[in-house]
Amino acid sequence: AQSVAQPEDQVNVAEGNPLTVKCTYSVSGNPYLFWYVQYPNRGLQFLLKYITGDNLVKGSYGFEAEFNKSQTSFHLKKPSALVSDSALYFCAVRDFSGAGSYQLTFGKGTKLSVIP
Amino acid sequence: DAGITQSPRHKVTETGTPVTLRCHQTENHRYMYWYRQDPGHGLRLIHYSYGVKDTDKGEVSDGYSVSRSKTEDFLLTLESATSSQTSVYFCAISDTGTSEWETQYFGPGTRLLVL
Repeated sequence: AQSVAQPEDQVNVAEGNPLTVKCTYSVSGNPYLFWYVQYPNRGLQFLLKYITGDNLVKGSYGFEAEFNKSQTSFHLKKPSALVSDSALYFCAVRDFSGAGSYQLTFGKGTKLSVIP
Repeated sequence: DAGITQSPRHKVTETGTPVTLRCHQTENHRYMYWYRQDPGHGLRLIHYSYGVKDTDKGEVSDGYSVSRSKTEDFLLTLESATSSQTSVYFCAISDTGTSEWETQYFGPGTRLLVL
């Protein structure tokens, strides 16, 4: 079975400081990893994904994430946080290993608050 | 929201009544999904479809059924609504044959309250 853990329910960061939102995963095969962002009363918006290749993935709005196979992690990062980055962030994993492999498993989400 | 609409956007219903939520896409994507979002649980897959009339169960399918008679429409039915089905429901789509086929795109959501 595949699973995702987002160990922090909330992350607070000052505007202009770097931010990190943590994600660890567990799959039996090779992982496909995703980050989504949700603004209040909106659907989820795709930020970035890791499928294969370079471990550092760049995505929308200046976000990036680093895939670390040995630590089974896929942390989301941004060099300089904006107040407008305040939202709920979800990490998701898909185990590309056959039956049921279309199923994304989501973490419980991390609320990011960027303080002016 | 990637050419995905959901209807209704808000609904209040009573325990024991049937409820149908609709997801409509204009992207001609093959795969469609229904998730529910609850605090402390993230998103959980209810059912998904991999083509017209082809559906399968997800993690939390009990009490729900789905139908897909056309590529563009995916219906979620709560056969007899219960208070535990109060939630926000999201539809998502994804496609095959392109570099984006692994990515799911989400609709705006339907907020359901079962009294």
